[in-house]
Amino acid sequence: AQSVTQLDSHVSVSEGTPVLLRCNYSSSYSPSLFWYVQHPNKGLQLLLKYTSAATLVKGINGFEAEFKKSETSFHLTKPSAHMSDAAEYFCVVSEGRPNAGNMLTFGGGTRLMVKP
Amino acid sequence: EPEVTQTPSHQVTQMGQEVILRCVPISNHLYFYWYRQILGQKVEFLVSFYNNEISEKSEIFDDQFSVERPDGSNFTLKIRSTKLEDSAMYFCASSDWGGQYFGPGTRLLVL
Repeated sequence: AQSVTQLDSHVSVSEGTPVLLRCNYSSSYSPSLFWYVQHPNKGLQLLLKYTSAATLVKGINGFEAEFKKSETSFHLTKPSAHMSDAAEYFCVVSEGRPNAGNMLTFGGGTRLMVKP
Repeated sequence: EPEVTQTPSHQVTQMGQEVILRCVPISNHLYFYWYRQILGQKVEFLVSFYNNEISEKSEIFDDQFSVERPDGSNFTLKIRSTKLEDSAMYFCASSDWGGQYFGPGTRLLVL
């Protein structure tokens, strides 16, 4: 079985400071990992994905994440927060189990607040 | 940029009624999905669909639910005899070989 834990339900940063959103996962297979962002009243937008290639993954809007198998982590970072980054962020795993149908398992979400 | 669309954006129905939620996936995608998010809870997988059949479904996806791809563009989720606990945001997604791309969701309220 696969699971995802987002360690912080809320993170607050000042504009221009770094962002760190933490995620740990468990999987019995070789997982693919994703970060999605949801702005208020909007759908889920794919930020970035890890699918067993480079462990440091770059996404849109300056976000990146590093896959660390030894720590079972996939933390999301950004060097400098912008007001428009305020949103809910979801860490997501797809287990890679044969015949799994590509189902995604979502973490509980982290609400990022950016102060001016 | 191509995107997944869903209709309606909001649906209010009476308990026991049937609802059909509609989705238009990205045109060259082959895999289709439904997820739901009950208010204050995690996004949950319902079902995946490939090659005109269900490839996987969760425990939530019982006989009350069905999916269909009635033509080359639409993908529907039918909920028969809705219950109060079916109130949620329902997301459709589609994918090729990469990540899944989600629609904006349909907010379903069962009264």
